[in-house]
Amino acid sequence: QKEVEQNSGPLSVPEGAIASLNCTYSDRVSQSFFWYRQYSGKSPELIMSIYSNGDKEDGRFTAQLNKASQYVSLLIRDSQPSDSATYLCAVNIPAAGNKLTFGGGTRVLVKP
Amino acid sequence: DVKVTQSSRYLVKRTGEKVFLECVQDMDHENMFWYRQDPGLGLRLIYFSYDVKMKEKGDIPEGYSVSREKKERFSLILESASTNQTSMYLCASSSGSAGDTQYFGPGTRLTVL
Repeated sequence: QKEVEQNSGPLSVPEGAIASLNCTYSDRVSQSFFWYRQYSGKSPELIMSIYSNGDKEDGRFTAQLNKASQYVSLLIRDSQPSDSATYLCAVNIPAAGNKLTFGGGTRVLVKP
Repeated sequence: DVKVTQSSRYLVKRTGEKVFLECVQDMDHENMFWYRQDPGLGLRLIYFSYDVKMKEKGDIPEGYSVSREKKERFSLILESASTNQTSMYLCASSSGSAGDTQYFGPGTRLTVL
């Protein structure tokens, strides 16, 4: 089992719809969770961090964390073509020296 | 704003050449990281450093070395470049714990011919 897993996609959503991305992780004691956005040919940029169970909202983005089920998700509301990118989930893995481990990313395509 | 810069956006080298990739951050971060990113393989950690003159191997250190003589600068060295080292190289930095937010540089697209 990979330490951090994401569906590679592509996830195709119509403009204005909600995009829902999921990420599962293996280390039950992980404490820090991050979502990055990466446009083609560019470097990852941080969208959100979340540390506690529940929802965290920032503009059109909502991160949801469920430590008991070991998953973190990202919702993108009112999806825009500019949201088309690969979204990377990152989780600190205490068993791996507490470094961040990245999932393989989910490619999102927002169609006008 | 955190700023992480990398010495080159694009680099073309020949097999067997020694290659230096430099990364500088301006936020006094303790931790610095080098990754490579390849299609289908995601981000893979090459080396990281928690302090000056300190280095730790990541998941794929073979064929690479690093240097951290100053806190703000972390260099990745390919002693003898090979074609399988053609990749996007990303530098990142973070403060505090290694599990804290990492901020990435713009990346260097290295092609080894």
